[in-house]
Amino acid sequence: EAGVVQSPRYKIIEKKQPVAFWCNPISGHNTLYWYRQNLGQGPELLIRYENEEAVDDSQLPKDRFSAERLKGVDSTLKIQPAELGDSAVYLCASSLGQEGWGYGYTFGSGTRLTVV
Amino acid sequence: KNEVEQSPQNLTAQEGEFITINCSYSVGISALHWLQQHPGGGIVSLFMLSSGKKKHGRLIATINIQEKHSSLHITASHPRDSAVYICAARATNKLIFGTGTLLAVQP
Repeated sequence: EAGVVQSPRYKIIEKKQPVAFWCNPISGHNTLYWYRQNLGQGPELLIRYENEEAVDDSQLPKDRFSAERLKGVDSTLKIQPAELGDSAVYLCASSLGQEGWGYGYTFGSGTRLTVV
Repeated sequence: KNEVEQSPQNLTAQEGEFITINCSYSVGISALHWLQQHPGGGIVSLFMLSSGKKKHGRLIATINIQEKHSSLHITASHPRDSAVYICAARATNKLIFGTGTLLAVQP
């Protein structure tokens, strides 16, 4: 099984430009998470989806960040416009769901974003 | 004060040593994860604990719910164990992550 697939692995953009990250979760995992991890810190949750519904987006900076999970499978996370402080690793994770917590919880390898 | 704290932040060990990484949390949890992150790599879930102890190969994880404390032990450490180890507490509907422990095992 491929696991949680993210692309691109690396992205370098100039500030004020838009950027998008893509995540394909493990087949059958209805819960999908986007995290941001700054250097030397643990991941911080940005948004959690149950199927196609965003059930927790309280930490998502909505002025510049947006996310979608059409059809409850793949998801994209977008930043527009990017700022220097957005440089971080963006991690996607999926799990079987809230009731099956911890069961099959898997992270992708992340997208390392550098804003210059 | 972080809700999930790990110690030590950095740890250097010689190959073969027994290693312990500690995690304390201040919130009520339903489970606790131990995660491993290699440099430039993705995060791998090592254990999910809600009570007691789990063992997988040279890795052992324990949790004491009353004391709100968990430990990850590595026996007979090896340079390939070098990574960041992160504990994450499951509270209500979210994971709260510790800041990680950077482990370097020298040959």
